[in-house]
Amino acid sequence: GAGVSQSPSNKVTEKGKDVELRCDPISGHTALYWYRQSLGQGLEFLIYFQGNSAPDKSGLPSDRFSAERTGGSVSTLTIQRTQQEDSAVYLCASSLDGAGGQPQHFGDGTRLSIL
Amino acid sequence: GQSLEQPSEVTAVEGAIVQINCTYQTSGFYGLSWYQQHDGGAPTFLSYNALDGLEETGRFSSFLSRSDSYGYLLLQELQMKDSASYFCAVRDSTGGFKTIFGAGTRLFVKA
Repeated sequence: GAGVSQSPSNKVTEKGKDVELRCDPISGHTALYWYRQSLGQGLEFLIYFQGNSAPDKSGLPSDRFSAERTGGSVSTLTIQRTQQEDSAVYLCASSLDGAGGQPQHFGDGTRLSIL
Repeated sequence: GQSLEQPSEVTAVEGAIVQINCTYQTSGFYGLSWYQQHDGGAPTFLSYNALDGLEETGRFSSFLSRSDSYGYLLLQELQMKDSASYFCAVRDSTGGFKTIFGAGTRLFVKA
């Protein structure tokens, strides 16, 4: 597709369930980023992939969060045993490469609500 | 630690000029970026400064002073559609090149 695609766009689930969020980056973009944004807040960095590798996983909030990227393309963010504080919009972005000046192109996000 | 500070809100009138400041503190610096986000929308890239000075892109300009760990976004000829949140972001060159965003400045443009 022309832009970054995220699915699902909305997800409502019960506390304690696992959720999987998907990000399909712009074709040819080697860098991929995950962020979390709570209502009216800034973007909280979660993880960055260069190709299939994540040099730094320290942004993940807890060990309930994990992410992977396969084939240098699609990425999934998995949250296990969800908690109410996990409710937020999860944004994915991609850029041509990991250089600092490359614009990050964002998807529309997944709005996650934990009941 | 890593942190960015920017004003929470700015109000200006249509046609005016507004400046949104950003000060940062990072262990490694790899450039300052600006993003715009309308309510309910995704952030969109506006500009990037790696070196000191002013970068101009149409009505928007961005400035960086690395010695002062300071930058700003300048919006000229404000339009109603410029009402949005504006985020500064730094790329930290240490560790995993994480991108750190400020909390955002909410710009209200009045007629």
